[in-house]
Formats: sequence, structure tokens, C-alpha cells
Amino acid sequence: DAGITQSPRHKVTETGTPVTLRCHQTENHRYMYWYRQDPGHGLRLIHYSYGVKDTDKGEVSDGYSVSRSKTEDFLLTLESATSSQTSVYFCAISATGSPNYGYTFGSGTRLTVV
Amino acid sequence: AQSVAQPEDQVNVAEGNPLTVKCTYSVSGNPYLFWYVQYPNRGLQFLLKYITGDNLVKGSYGFEAEFNKSQTSFHLKKPSALVSDSALYFCAVRDKDTDKLIFGTGTRLQVFP
Repeated sequence: DAGITQSPRHKVTETGTPVTLRCHQTENHRYMYWYRQDPGHGLRLIHYSYGVKDTDKGEVSDGYSVSRSKTEDFLLTLESATSSQTSVYFCAISATGSPNYGYTFGSGTRLTVV
Repeated sequence: AQSVAQPEDQVNVAEGNPLTVKCTYSVSGNPYLFWYVQYPNRGLQFLLKYITGDNLVKGSYGFEAEFNKSQTSFHLKKPSALVSDSALYFCAVRDKDTDKLIFGTGTRLQVFP
């Protein structure tokens, strides 16, 4: 989607290695989110950020950390990847306070941990 | 706690027939409700939202949804289904305290020719 990009789009990594996924926005929105999508679970929130250096945990945060040093970038790190973290990861931004209030999602990162 | 339920894992409908994808919610206060669609190997696309105003909300691709406060429902509807509507549909509600979006588990819509 315009205004939000995720990288990489696909990644295969080995168990135990660290992995960082990047979300970049050009909308200057305050709120950013990381979700994971798994069959039968829908999308579940991992971490979110409500400003630079302001982050909080979602419902499935174990094994993940995040950082936001700039408004436009929100990084998700798997400290030591496990097979249970094989998933599709989506970043989102929200236009809180805007007349066009809503959430925009990136195209996703498909992560496979072998 | 805020939550959303999509009671049907899959909905099957013949092309040209009306379709309904069900969603119920549980929130404190007035809900902000959303529908998203996901086509295979794609991201989530916004369909429509209810924040305030008319209970019948019209969205993209001919979809609409009716907000029913007494039944705490926000069902997605379309008068005449297309094969190209086949996709995964998600209902979501905003957590007003944190602004995060809480999703249902999704409903796969299959439209048969």
C-alpha cells in the first residue's frame, strides 16, 4: 500500500538466529503496529508504538522486541528465531485524529524459520 | 476486554446470490468497526468502517455493512456475489484506550460460478 513498505518480503532463516523486519512509512503517523497472521488465529498484535521510543506489548510479544528511533521506521526483531515464529508479519499505521481515520497495512513479510 | 467473533470459518455462495459474512463484537463504549479483505498472497485491503452516523455503511467493491447496536453485530453484505469476491474477510474493532485494532479469526468466502 502507498505510504507503508515492509522489508524484506520473504525470508528464510535458521533456528536460533536473530532476524529484523523493517516497516517504513511516509505518512508521518504516530501509531505503528506489528501483527502476525496464522491460520485459525487471524491477525494477532505483537507490539505497537505510539511515538518515537514509545512502544508497548501486544498479545503475543514473547520472543519479539521492537524499536522506533524515528517516526518513519518501526523495527521488529526476533532475538533467537524459533519454528513457532514462522508466520506472515504485517505492519500497520493508523491515522488517529484524521478525518480519514483508519488503518493501513503493509504487504507483509513471509518468514520461514527452519 | 474488547473482542470480535466471526462465527463462520467459511461461507459458500453461488455467483449472483446475495452474501453475508457475520461479525459480532464486544466492546465498552461506542465501537469503531472495520472490515478488511485479503486476496491470496496479498496484504489486507480496507473495505469499510463504522465510526458514527448511519447504521448502514457502504464500502468498496459494492460491499456494505449494517451496524446493529442491540445485537452487537456488524455483518458484511453484498447484494450480488462475484467469483472475484472469493477471499478471506476480517472483521476488526478498535481498542479505544490504545488505538490498536483487534481482529476476528477471519471468514473465507467462496463464490461458485
